[in-house]
Amino acid sequence: DQQVKQNSPSLSVQEGRISILNCDYTNSMFDYFLWYKKYPAEGPTFLISISSIKDKNEDGRFTVFLNKSAKHLSLHIVPSQPGDSAVYFCAASGGANNLFFGTGTRLTVIP
Amino acid sequence: NAGVMQNPRHLVRRRGQEARLRCSPMKGHSHVYWYRQLPEEGLKFMVYLQKENIIDESGMPKERFSAEFPKEGPSILRIQQVVRGDSAAYFCASSPLAGSDNQPQHFGDGTRLSIL
Repeated sequence: DQQVKQNSPSLSVQEGRISILNCDYTNSMFDYFLWYKKYPAEGPTFLISISSIKDKNEDGRFTVFLNKSAKHLSLHIVPSQPGDSAVYFCAASGGANNLFFGTGTRLTVIP
Repeated sequence: NAGVMQNPRHLVRRRGQEARLRCSPMKGHSHVYWYRQLPEEGLKFMVYLQKENIIDESGMPKERFSAEFPKEGPSILRIQQVVRGDSAAYFCASSPLAGSDNQPQHFGDGTRLSIL
């Protein structure tokens, strides 16, 4: 049962443009959401998170938006850079100790 | 490097052997989590430990898998009598507080286990 879904396996964006990565979840008990970035042969690196009491959190070029009614969150990267090319994982937790991960979206930023 | 340290990075075992994966959390972190990633899939939670205690093992297979986090030394994930289906990347994460306190987990670079 996949409680966190990333329906786009891949995304290509031109350098300098906006990248939008999407994530949907099914469990209404989730109250904390995170985005991780992963390069091949490395572990996931924490990028940004958002609590369910907020609908937006911004950190530099990265902004996460949360729409609780739609059970949807998105990560915006602007402007996109070639170094942003990686696999991005959405994750969620609901007061428990484990994270539920999506299957990832491979972002390619074209120079 | 003050990050989460996992070793070995690569481990090859034959069917029926034992695999031991080690994880040292970030300095100041007392909560350790183990996840498994199969090819083309996301990470799946296995177990959550604090020093000398298993807090949540709801993601652990019932047989052959065990985990510990002793008072001294790294956390160990042990897989006995390995089978081909155990081939995966195993990631360890740590956090300073429990996950319920909305603290991000920080991950190591993983151990890639291959079963011949």
